[in-house]
Amino acid sequence: KNEVEQSPQNLTAQEGEFITINCSYSVGISALHWLQQHPGGGIVSLFMLSSGKKKHGRLIATINIQEKHSSLHITASHPRDSAVYICAVRYNNDMRFGAGTRLTVKP
Amino acid sequence: NAGVTQTPKFQVLKTGQSMTLQCAQDMNHEYMSWYRQDPGMGLRLIHYSVGAGITDQGEVPNGYNVSRSTTEDFPLRLLSAAPSQTSVYFCASSQPGTGVAFFGQGTRLTVV
Repeated sequence: KNEVEQSPQNLTAQEGEFITINCSYSVGISALHWLQQHPGGGIVSLFMLSSGKKKHGRLIATINIQEKHSSLHITASHPRDSAVYICAVRYNNDMRFGAGTRLTVKP
Repeated sequence: NAGVTQTPKFQVLKTGQSMTLQCAQDMNHEYMSWYRQDPGMGLRLIHYSVGAGITDQGEVPNGYNVSRSTTEDFPLRLLSAAPSQTSVYFCASSQPGTGVAFFGQGTRLTVV
């Protein structure tokens, strides 16, 4: 069983829809990261969370340490949000990654 | 532009050949790491370093060597390439505490 599970694996939405991607993990962590991988392959760090909630533009990330769960929300989705979103957890200096959620936003 | 520079972008090797993937950052980050990304497997940590002179193994270190002689550079060496090492490799750096990681553009390696 993967230590980091993401759902859904694939997600198709219409422009303007509210998007939620979920991440569950099974190990004690020091931090959780959300990454975005563009169709060209480049990876960008979106958030690092150790507790609570963070917001950047239309993106919101939350984490519940007790439940070992995090969510990434995208409000007013846009075709340019189409990418693979990856959840990663850090414990000590090691990192474990989810398999990613492929998001397609249609105009 | 400041960031993580990773070279080469593409490489084809024959089984048994050796090569070094280069990674350099100019942000004075202490933490640097190498990952491989395979279809259906996601990203996996190969090796990491928390500072010059300090390296450690990640989840999939076999077949790879690293060194960290300076803060800026963190090369990944394949001593004897195998087809199982065909993958896309990413280097990243970050500063402990800020959490923001910067990734290189990736190296697509094919071992034939």
